[in-house]
Amino acid sequence: TQLLEQSPQFLSIQEGENLTVYCNSSSVFSSLQWYRQEPGEGPVLLVTVVTGGEVKKLKRLTFQFGDARKDSSLHITAAQPGDTGLYLCAGARRNSGYALNFGKGTSLLVTP
Amino acid sequence: GAVVSQHPSRVICKSGTSVKIECRSLDFQATTMFWYRQFPKKSLMLMATSNEGSKATYEQGVEKDKFLINHASLTLSTLTVTSAHPEDSSFYICSATGPLSTDTQYFGPGTRLTVL
Repeated sequence: TQLLEQSPQFLSIQEGENLTVYCNSSSVFSSLQWYRQEPGEGPVLLVTVVTGGEVKKLKRLTFQFGDARKDSSLHITAAQPGDTGLYLCAGARRNSGYALNFGKGTSLLVTP
Repeated sequence: GAVVSQHPSRVICKSGTSVKIECRSLDFQATTMFWYRQFPKKSLMLMATSNEGSKATYEQGVEKDKFLINHASLTLSTLTVTSAHPEDSSFYICSATGPLSTDTQYFGPGTRLTVL
């Protein structure tokens, strides 16, 4: 069962463009994490959002957690080739021992 | 801080043999460790949750007799793929949570298993 719907699954843009990745669910999560993964490596945590309506910024990345804690978005401003990678959202639910449910991922390619 | 290691990083084995993958939390005590499987260009699928000193909880569809998980200490969990078959070839990733931050998981670098 895919609890988290992530879109788009693939995105190819040119350097300097902006983009937004969405992560939606019908379930409420105690927290939601965003990860970035390079091929052949484990996911690296970018941010954890906990409070409904929370907005966090990490340089050119802006993360938002929905008011109802069911959805989240990742916005990248002025994308660079170094942003290329697989972006994963994952929701943690307290009643499942904080196991993470991952979205399908967004494969981002930023070309010079 | 919060570094998780996995060993080996890559392993190639013959069909029918067993392979053990280790997951270690290097600078914190991991109360819970998780094992995931990832197919090429796909997302991570949770296989099982393990707590130190107790039996692992497996996700639906994951064979517990095939994927043996042992969490003998607060810094080490092992996944043994028994009687491996080519369809078990995959990228296996572990993660760990500490006692103070149950919502945040720290991931290992993954183990690429190839079964010939």
